[in-house]
Amino acid sequence: DGGITQSPKYLFRKEGQNVTLSCEQNLNHDAMYWYRQDPGQGLRLIYYSQIVNDFQKGDIAEGYSVSREKKESFPLTVTSAQKNPTAFYLCASSIDPRGMEAFFGQGTRLTVV
Amino acid sequence: EDQVTQSPEALRLQEGESSSLNCSYTVSGLRGLFWYRQDPGKGPEFLFTLYSAGEEKEKERLKATLTKKESFLHITAPKPEDSATYLCAVPDANSGYALNFGKGTSLLVTP
Repeated sequence: DGGITQSPKYLFRKEGQNVTLSCEQNLNHDAMYWYRQDPGQGLRLIYYSQIVNDFQKGDIAEGYSVSREKKESFPLTVTSAQKNPTAFYLCASSIDPRGMEAFFGQGTRLTVV
Repeated sequence: EDQVTQSPEALRLQEGESSSLNCSYTVSGLRGLFWYRQDPGKGPEFLFTLYSAGEEKEKERLKATLTKKESFLHITAPKPEDSATYLCAVPDANSGYALNFGKGTSLLVTP
């Protein structure tokens, strides 16, 4: 089955710690995205990548980093510089970055402990 | 500046009570309007794409329509399993056409 796999489903981070969220897709999609979802805020764009080895900052990129070394993988690192990292993180992909529907993974819930 | 505004924020319906959700947008050169359904703790599930004013799409009890300034998601004779948050989104040219989402409408259908 084709789809987008996010792991882990739940993640706990200690203060000052970097953590990496995994996102893998086998849909052969060029574009991949990371969103953050907070209660009452909707989905906000963190980073996006339209092609391998290229990525751009979204609206709330501070405190996050990404890489796109392979077409199927787009990991997100939440660094210690992100002051309020507790949120639901969603990865998505799209076959065409010029305005086609995006398909989402099941999300990773990150909690700072 | 908000590009996508959804209303109402929350809606409670009795089973069988039809209603509509609204999504208004303020982008020029629309490259599609997208509707998603999201269940608690899950990723959004794609429902529809609409590209031009007058276009309609249907799926079971849901029908999406599009005008030049807004889209409606009509729910006919809803069932409790239709309870979810419904999100609409438009591509944002300033972000490589990544989808810019509204805050969603939380729908609860009671038996």
